[in-house]
Amino acid sequence: DVKVTQSSRYLVKRTGEKVFLECVQDMDHENMFWYRQDPGLGLRLIYFSYDVKMKEKGDIPEGYSVSREKKERFSLILESASTNQTSMYLCASSSPYRVNTEAFFGQGTRLTVV
Amino acid sequence: EDKVVQSPLSLVVHEGDTVTLNCSYEVTNFRSLLWYKQEKKAPTFLFMLTSSGIEKKSGRLSSILDKKELFSILNITATQTGDSAVYLCAVEAGTYFGNEKLTFGTGTRLTIIP
Repeated sequence: DVKVTQSSRYLVKRTGEKVFLECVQDMDHENMFWYRQDPGLGLRLIYFSYDVKMKEKGDIPEGYSVSREKKERFSLILESASTNQTSMYLCASSSPYRVNTEAFFGQGTRLTVV
Repeated sequence: EDKVVQSPLSLVVHEGDTVTLNCSYEVTNFRSLLWYKQEKKAPTFLFMLTSSGIEKKSGRLSSILDKKELFSILNITATQTGDSAVYLCAVEAGTYFGNEKLTFGTGTRLTIIP
């Protein structure tokens, strides 16, 4: 089974702090994604990466950055957390080279910025 | 900008009823349409549709895609309380292998009353 693991289920951070959300997948997938999920807005893509050291902006990249130094790990960074970044963050991975190319998701990190 | 619209936003039915969930889309370089079920955790994959008119079935769930009219439906027959969840539609788009990304709808919240 594909496993996508996010480092924390719940985080509480103060405004202005630098926040790291970590995601690790064990299926050698090329593509990795970070989404945030908010009521009424659904899942929105923040950043994605299709290879090591490659990244592309999604629909809402402002206030975020990412790092992919190794194929299995994709980190989301909030440089200076703000209250409007309180949300559920979901990491996903997929491979474009396999029969089933659907994305597999981690369990999510609920981040609260106070 | 890619867009995915789901309807209805929420639906409450009695156990045993049949429901139809709708998903319409406007994307550039369509690759596939995916349905996910989300309960209190990360989305779990239901179906991937790439061809028009071919129904996919899994137990009481079925789905079909119309690439001419740009929509898909998800049917659930003989609903059970365990079907209560948010159902997410996502469209995968990309011009070449490796740069696909998923755009999600806001979801349909389905509640089944015993």
